[in-house]
Amino acid sequence: GNSVTQMEGPVTLSEEAFLTINCTYTATGYPSLFWYVQYPGEGLQLLLKATKADDKGSNKGFEATYRKETTSFHLEKGSVQVSDSAVYFCALTLNTNAGKSTFGDGTTLTVKP
Amino acid sequence: DVKVTQSSRYLVKRTGEKVFLECVQDMDHENMFWYRQDPGLGLRLIYFSYDVKMKEKGDIPEGYSVSREKKERFSLILESASTNQTSMYLCASRKGTAGSYEQYFGPGTRLTVT
Repeated sequence: GNSVTQMEGPVTLSEEAFLTINCTYTATGYPSLFWYVQYPGEGLQLLLKATKADDKGSNKGFEATYRKETTSFHLEKGSVQVSDSAVYFCALTLNTNAGKSTFGDGTTLTVKP
Repeated sequence: DVKVTQSSRYLVKRTGEKVFLECVQDMDHENMFWYRQDPGLGLRLIYFSYDVKMKEKGDIPEGYSVSREKKERFSLILESASTNQTSMYLCASRKGTAGSYEQYFGPGTRLTVT
């Protein structure tokens, strides 16, 4: 089956620190990969995505590169802000119509001033 | 702007009640999903629907049913609510065509069953 394993949290950083949240996956087919973010009291929202190997997704200073050889999609940001405090979910979806998504367990990030 | 709305943000029900959670999307998306989110367990798929009147069981369908009579609306039904169904329920939709598998989530319904 498919699975997503992401770095356990919680992660606490100081403002302007470098962020990495690791994500690795196993998939029976050829997936698209996603990072979603969930702010307190809200639903998930798409942060970035990559649909094929070597694609780099980016948004709001966050980046992740689809690495087929290491089956990874690590999330990075060069300088975090307090407003980045949230829960981050890595996810995959097989590239077939009606393909279900598989989510990681989420990593809680707290950024302190 | 893409929008998924859920009928309630907070809901308190009694054990044994029949509970309806409504989800509406305005993006003409084919696929819709219901998840529950619990601390330490992440998101778990309850049911999904890839088109009107179609439904598929997810990973934890027991105690739930769904209805999709119109493309924009996907309802989750708890036939007889139990305390172990206290959770955050998230609805999502997506277009379902190649290259468009990102999901759009509603704000969630926090259900408490007493």
